[in-house]
Amino acid sequence: GAVVSQHPSWVICKSGTSVKIECRSLDFQATTMFWYRQFPKQSLMLMATSNEGSKATYEQGVEKDKFLINHASLTLSTLTVTSAHPEDSSFYICSAREFGSGGNTIYFGEGSWLTVV
Amino acid sequence: AQSVTQPDIHITVSEGASLELRCNYSYGATPYLFWYVQSPGQGLQLLLKYFSGDTLVQGIKGFEAEFKRSQSSFNLRKPSVHWSDAAEYFCAVGPSAAGNKLTFGGGTRVLVKP
Repeated sequence: GAVVSQHPSWVICKSGTSVKIECRSLDFQATTMFWYRQFPKQSLMLMATSNEGSKATYEQGVEKDKFLINHASLTLSTLTVTSAHPEDSSFYICSAREFGSGGNTIYFGEGSWLTVV
Repeated sequence: AQSVTQPDIHITVSEGASLELRCNYSYGATPYLFWYVQSPGQGLQLLLKYFSGDTLVQGIKGFEAEFKRSQSSFNLRKPSVHWSDAAEYFCAVGPSAAGNKLTFGGGTRVLVKP
């Protein structure tokens, strides 16, 4: 089946630095990818919709300048957490929709744990 | 605005017993409903989804869910739980069958007793 891979799975960074998380669709093309975050013991919240070749659409309350999303190709979207702070520590997970197949399933990545110290 | 409520935060069930996870939704249009399972530290795996047709949906791993429009519910069931079913389960609603832009419930953590 279709696979979505995220890298890194775990990352620890110092407060004030930036960290990039990649989301790749390994065996299909994805014009649209979605980024979610999940705080401990809470549900997933949609952060933004990433569209290949265009600007991401952010959900209300999500700072676009802090969470930079780039969808440069049909198989890769990146989320960069800029000037990270401890409150940004979270589980970030992406999902991708298969392109051009008439498929009707979203595939989720395995997620990335970010800890800001 | 759409919302999904999973009333039970934790459920403990004995191995071999039946399991039912509740999900209630509020959605202004035709709801596309999903159940996902998340094992510790892992991503989400789709168990099943509903968008039309038979209101009883069969999924993977022996799970099924029943859509009840009158009750705005989409409860997940499994007749006999295995230890490997211990995980967090999320109900979600979205605007399409593909699973775009999902709104998730708070999740229900299932613990399985030997």
